[in-house]
Amino acid sequence: QKEVEQNSGPLSVPEGAIASLNCTYSDRGSQSFFWYRQYSGKSPELIMFIYSNGDKEDGRFTAQLNKASQYVSLLIRDSQPSDSATYLCAVGAPGYSTLTFGKGTMLLVSP
Amino acid sequence: DVKVTQSSRYLVKRTGEKVFLECVQDMDHENMFWYRQDPGLGLRLIYFSYDVKMKEKGDIPEGYSVSREKKERFSLILESASTNQTSMYLCASSPRQVGTRSHEQYFGPGTRLTVT
Repeated sequence: QKEVEQNSGPLSVPEGAIASLNCTYSDRGSQSFFWYRQYSGKSPELIMFIYSNGDKEDGRFTAQLNKASQYVSLLIRDSQPSDSATYLCAVGAPGYSTLTFGKGTMLLVSP
Repeated sequence: DVKVTQSSRYLVKRTGEKVFLECVQDMDHENMFWYRQDPGLGLRLIYFSYDVKMKEKGDIPEGYSVSREKKERFSLILESASTNQTSMYLCASSPRQVGTRSHEQYFGPGTRLTVT
């Protein structure tokens, strides 16, 4: 049974700070990693994906992957109140069309 | 831009009714998925399809069936709705997996179904 674990939060950060969201996964063979943002009452929206060890930056977002530790994280720099949402981590394994989703971490950014 | 649409945003049905939820994607994706999302339980996969007329059970297929007659359209059917099927239903699509990498999934806006 593939598992993806996230701290449910809420993670509270002040406006302008760096928010760090973490995710661990159980399947060592996993090769594809995704972060989704979900506002309350809305559907998940893809914000980042990463396939290789290391960092990947896109604007204020940085995804970090460490396959040896089976750990993936999302950093949000200069956090804004509009970043307040639940962030879902999703992991894909070779040979599978499906993704395994974590239950998400709620982020609250206070003005 | 990937566009996934769902037939209704909100739906109220009575116990025992047959319910159809439709999903259409415009990006020529091979894979389509149906999830339900409940507080504290996260996203749970009901069924998915990797090609026309093909379907695979997900984690919670009981009480549901699906139909994929055209590549762009994937329908979820609740044969006899029950109150425990009250939930947010999300459709998603993705390109076919190439090599070892799974592709990202794109979600529709969701249908909030209430069964009374």
